Amino acid sequence: DIQLTQSPSFLSASVGDRVTITCRASQGISSYLAWYQQKPGKAPKLLIYAVSTLQSGVPSRFSGSGSGTEFTLTISSLQPDDFATYYCQQLNAYPYTFGQGTKLEI
Amino acid sequence: EVQLVESGGGLVQPGGSLRLSCAVSGFTLSDHYMDWVRQAPGKGLEWFGRSRNKANDYTTEYAASVKGRFTISRDDSKNSLYLQMSSLKTEDTAVYYCIRPKTGGTRGMEVWGQGTTVTVSS
Repeated sequence: DIQLTQSPSFLSASVGDRVTITCRASQGISSYLAWYQQKPGKAPKLLIYAVSTLQSGVPSRFSGSGSGTEFTLTISSLQPDDFATYYCQQLNAYPYTFGQGTKLEI
Repeated sequence: EVQLVESGGGLVQPGGSLRLSCAVSGFTLSDHYMDWVRQAPGKGLEWFGRSRNKANDYTTEYAASVKGRFTISRDDSKNSLYLQMSSLKTEDTAVYYCIRPKTGGTRGMEVWGQGTTVTVSS
């Protein structure tokens, strides 16, 4: 199975900060990388797919980049609604694995 | 509006069986792949199964953790997806989400249900 390792696992930040979360894959996954946001008690929400394509309705302060085995999610200016847990997922090979998550806290 | 509504969760003893349902609306089920993802209490997300669409003969994929114990099926005429779970283990305790991925199946999990909770305990 392809392992995804996110860093950091916890991130403390403030409104207005620029933050970056990294997702490293144990092998190349081409461009089959997605990012999700999850708030407590809620289903995850797709933010970005194919490494850098913003899902419809997602604010432009979210962006994704990377290739091969290293990928990043950047939030350019944190808003109060952004404090949540973020997951990356590879869809290159079954099983479609997720990273362990990054909890973004104030 | 596209909606997915899971049901059928509950408390079951180890070794027991349970069937989850996912009622879909707002789209034609037979046209779409459908996935299942679960989340154990306080833990991360685990993708574990896929049902491809009619054009791909409804073929399925499973993660090793559930293969041979879980079966995904669907009844397009009832707009419903099912997850039959057997030989349940305590580690199957989780919130189970039904998902419609983006078209093509490799661009992300686009539409999620609200989840249904399965607790495996004696």
